[in-house]
Amino acid sequence: QVQLVESGGGVVQPGRSLRLFCAASGFNFSDYAIHWVRQRPGQGLEWVAVISKDGSDKFYEDPVKGRFTVSRDNSRDRLYLQMHNVRAADTAVYYCARDRHYDDNGSSFLDSWGQGALVSVSS
Amino acid sequence: DIQMTQSPSTLSASVGDRVTITCRASQDISSWLAWYQQKPGKAPELLIYKTSSLESGVPSRFSGSGSGTEFTLTISSLQPDDFATYYCQQYKSYVITFGQGTRLEIK
Repeated sequence: QVQLVESGGGVVQPGRSLRLFCAASGFNFSDYAIHWVRQRPGQGLEWVAVISKDGSDKFYEDPVKGRFTVSRDNSRDRLYLQMHNVRAADTAVYYCARDRHYDDNGSSFLDSWGQGALVSVSS
Repeated sequence: DIQMTQSPSTLSASVGDRVTITCRASQDISSWLAWYQQKPGKAPELLIYKTSSLESGVPSRFSGSGSGTEFTLTISSLQPDDFATYYCQQYKSYVITFGQGTRLEIK
């Protein structure tokens, strides 16, 4: 079955860096665009970034532009989120999620989600 | 970016009730709208896509409607398992956005 498993979360000091991982299984990873979505404690869902199937296109929400980088390794069925210069506002559970119909027209809906990785930014 | 606004933020209802959640987009998104259910401590789960298409395995008591800027999610007869938080999401372009969520609680 389709499975996405995030890892790499933890406590990080403000201004430091952290790298999140998302391991995919149960489907042909290179056929799907993947999103990062975060959820601050007690808050709603916030889209963070998306990467296309082959990694050639990437889009980010404004608060993370220039600080976060999404990448993927299709040979290893893995997705990454490199976070630099983290802030308290980046404290959240980070989910990776599969986009079912991403194409030249844009993103679509998210049909499979990981269990999330908690990132806590604190000094 | 397209802003999504859900109402109400919280909804109290009883088992067996029919409930409706509304989602409004800040601009025309045609039918590019999805709905998710999230339970505490769990990842969201897809319920409906393209406004009214039911995801496989989702009970038929869930339905969606609308177009353009106004959309609704209806649960025809609430079951105990339905008490959760619901989110709408637009996907008109590469940048997707979610509504702020509607918490459905037991009256």
